Amino acid sequence: GDSVTQTEGLVTLTKGLPVMLNCTYQTTYSPFLFWYVQHLNEAPKLLLKSSTDNKRTEHQGFYATLHKSSSSFHLQKSSVQLSDSALYFCALIGANTGKLTFGHGTILRVHP
Amino acid sequence: EAAVTQSPRSKVAVTGGKVTLSCHQTNNHDYMYWYRQDTGHGLRLIHYSYVADSTEKGDIPDGYKASRPSQENFSLILELASLSQTAVYFCASSAYRDGSERLFFGHGTKLSVL
Repeated sequence: GDSVTQTEGLVTLTKGLPVMLNCTYQTTYSPFLFWYVQHLNEAPKLLLKSSTDNKRTEHQGFYATLHKSSSSFHLQKSSVQLSDSALYFCALIGANTGKLTFGHGTILRVHP
Repeated sequence: EAAVTQSPRSKVAVTGGKVTLSCHQTNNHDYMYWYRQDTGHGLRLIHYSYVADSTEKGDIPDGYKASRPSQENFSLILELASLSQTAVYFCASSAYRDGSERLFFGHGTKLSVL
């Protein structure tokens, strides 16, 4: 079945530094990948979704590129802010099932 | 903005009791989902549905039933609640056509089983 791997459980950074959150996946079919963000006591919300292979997508300063050759969709930002502190999920939708499979999530903590 | 409403927002249940969590969407979406989130962890799919009167098992269906009586409503039923089912439950809906559509989540139901 489909699977998503996020290798970092917790990332702690100082404001203004760059960040990359890792996401790799396994699926039999051509994938759509997503990044969802969940702030404390809120529902998850869509942050980014993948475009075509090797094309970068951007939203709110975050960006990610789907690389089918390495089965990856890493999330990056050049300068993190305090408000970026949240739980970030990478997710994959099964093209033939409609099931969205989430990774375990990465907590990003940004301090002053 | 698409709307997904869950009720109740929180619930305390006794072990062995029956619990029903309700979800209502006004998005005219075909797909609806129930996810479970344990503290600080990822979302795991319990059941989902792509048409009224039909449900599908997700990745962790044991101990849960689902019901989709109409396009708008999707319920999650715990016939015999157990301590291990203490978690936050999220309902979501999606238009889903080719897989590129986003999910819209409800605010979650915090369930505590004592």
